[in-house]
Amino acid sequence: DGGITQSPKYLFRKEGQNVTLSCEQNLNHDAMYWYRQDPGQGLRLIYYSQIVNDFQKGDIAEGYSVSREKKESFPLTVTSAQKNPTAFYLCASSIGRDRDNQPQHFGDGTRLSIL
Amino acid sequence: AQSVTQLDSHVSVSEGTPVLLRCNYSSSYSPSLFWYVQHPNKGLQLLLKYTSAATLVKGINGFEAEFKKSETSFHLTKPSAHMSDAAEYFCVVNHSGYSTLTFGKGTMLLVSP
Repeated sequence: DGGITQSPKYLFRKEGQNVTLSCEQNLNHDAMYWYRQDPGQGLRLIYYSQIVNDFQKGDIAEGYSVSREKKESFPLTVTSAQKNPTAFYLCASSIGRDRDNQPQHFGDGTRLSIL
Repeated sequence: AQSVTQLDSHVSVSEGTPVLLRCNYSSSYSPSLFWYVQHPNKGLQLLLKYTSAATLVKGINGFEAEFKKSETSFHLTKPSAHMSDAAEYFCVVNHSGYSTLTFGKGTMLLVSP
């Protein structure tokens, strides 16, 4: 079955550590996205990528970094510069650029907590 | 800029009664509009989408939404609530030419027996 796989489901970080969240899709989608979800705030866009080897900052990119070396993969690193990283992180994908009426497909998320 | 407002943070209904979740959007251009549902600790699942075809859009699980340009609204309805409908619902807008979506803050639907 095609879909988006996020791992791990739960992740714990110590102060000062970088952690990387995995997102893999087998939908053959060009575009991929990372969102942060906090209670009562909906989803906020961290980074997105419309094509391999290219990505853009979203609304809250500070303290995060991404790479897009393969079409299927879009890992997110939460760096020590992110002062409030505790949140639910969602990865999504869509068919791609110039298809702005196409929905995004979501993974089941990673919940990150600070120890 | 595009924006979307979900008018209620929580809606409570009894099982078997109608559901209405309200959404208003701001638009400079023709928007695409979506409703997603999220169950606890899960990702978002697409319920339905409007992309300038019929103004009344039918989705999964008996939900539907009506696009009203004059009111800039896209309210989600269901004739009869089921316990399994209890979840958080997000209204989402995308304007032509934008490569990203804008999400509302969500409405939590509570269904009592």
